[in-house]
Amino acid sequence: ETGVTQSPTHLIKTRGQQVTLRCSSQSGHNTVSWYQQALGQGPQFIFQYYREEENGRGNFPPRFSGLQFPNYSSELNVNALELDDSALYLCASTTGQLNTEAFFGQGTRLTVV
Amino acid sequence: DQQVKQNSPSLSVQEGRISILNCDYTNSMFDYFLWYKKYPAEGPTFLISISSIKDKNEDGRFTVFLNKSAKHLSLHIVPSQPGDSAVYFCAASASSGTYKYIFGTGTRLKVLA
Repeated sequence: ETGVTQSPTHLIKTRGQQVTLRCSSQSGHNTVSWYQQALGQGPQFIFQYYREEENGRGNFPPRFSGLQFPNYSSELNVNALELDDSALYLCASTTGQLNTEAFFGQGTRLTVV
Repeated sequence: DQQVKQNSPSLSVQEGRISILNCDYTNSMFDYFLWYKKYPAEGPTFLISISSIKDKNEDGRFTVFLNKSAKHLSLHIVPSQPGDSAVYFCAASASSGTYKYIFGTGTRLKVLA
């Protein structure tokens, strides 16, 4: 059973650029959520995908967008990067069943300069 | 509006003693609660969870207590070990809507040998 994997692990981008982060969900999991964790804070929910459809969104602007593919892997895209987008981006997958724990990847550390 | 609060940013405990980490929440719709542990440069690792129909859940050295009337939960680690030193996040979710988690800001636990 493979766990949640994210790529890349680190990334440096320039303000105004676009970035794509990738996540492979745990085997058997059809629901993927993305979180942003700023320094000294807890993870903040960005959005969730269930069976390739967005299934809920947190308080993030439209320049944060995502995709889920038929194999349940997912991408997070961020356009027009801002300095405040510098954070750890975490992907989590679940079975989609009620009251089950999510398993997190190791995260992608994005630095915007 | 911080719906999940961990008011102690840090905690130091002697090896072998009990560690008690606290978490408060404000949203009465939350009905599932989790604790995650996070080491530097890793994603959060699931520790233990509790549904609102219970007031206690135990797994080895880890026990979570839920006091619904006080909107308070706590994680007890007995006995504490140096390898338990990490940041601990409390998270909550509501079964209505998406299965997003609302995280606290974390408590850094240091277990002293």
